[in-house]
Amino acid sequence: DTAVSQTPKYLVTQMGNDKSIKCEQNLGHDTMYWYKQDSKKFLKIMFSYNNKELIINETVPNRFSPKSPDKAHLNLHINSLELGDSAVYFCASSQGLAGDNEQFFGPGTRLTVL
Amino acid sequence: DQQVKQNSPSLSVQEGRISILNCDYTNSMFDYFLWYKKYPAEGPTFLISISSIKDKNEDGRFTVFLNKSAKHLSLHIVPSQPGDSAVYFCAASAYGANSKLTFGKGITLSVRP
Repeated sequence: DTAVSQTPKYLVTQMGNDKSIKCEQNLGHDTMYWYKQDSKKFLKIMFSYNNKELIINETVPNRFSPKSPDKAHLNLHINSLELGDSAVYFCASSQGLAGDNEQFFGPGTRLTVL
Repeated sequence: DQQVKQNSPSLSVQEGRISILNCDYTNSMFDYFLWYKKYPAEGPTFLISISSIKDKNEDGRFTVFLNKSAKHLSLHIVPSQPGDSAVYFCAASAYGANSKLTFGKGITLSVRP
């Protein structure tokens, strides 16, 4: 009974390709997030959506385009992949936007760009 | 610019003893602090939190202490168990809408049987 799920779990691709990562939550939350954990292990927020509306965009290159078809889904599309995009990407969700709302994370997608 | 710092990358303790994980922050606007625990190949899971109006919050074996004047918080686990072995992330946010979590880089805790 997975609360926040991501597909795929692993993604290996060549530079210049376009790829997507999907995220779904079954918690009934109205807010979803994408985080990137780079080689230095920092978890950094990339985007947040509330009721399908973009709320946070943390100066992410416009090659990254999130899309929220409904409140339960937040997909991440990446164009023209670069070596530096290699990282683990985590999706998360919460009820509401406030900073004291617990965020529930998916298992992560490990992206490797060759 | 690291606003949340976990300066010790790892900690090893004996089962049954206390584990103390430290976290420092620089942004005085942070009002809420959380600890997340992460096992390999899994996402972080929420462990315990504390708001700035408190200096201590306890939940079973886990206690978080906050020293606002020092901009320092710590997570105490007592007694430590082998199942506590994981990466622990400290995170902070400011109250209000559109707030985001700022994470430290994590501390790897190993509890030896």
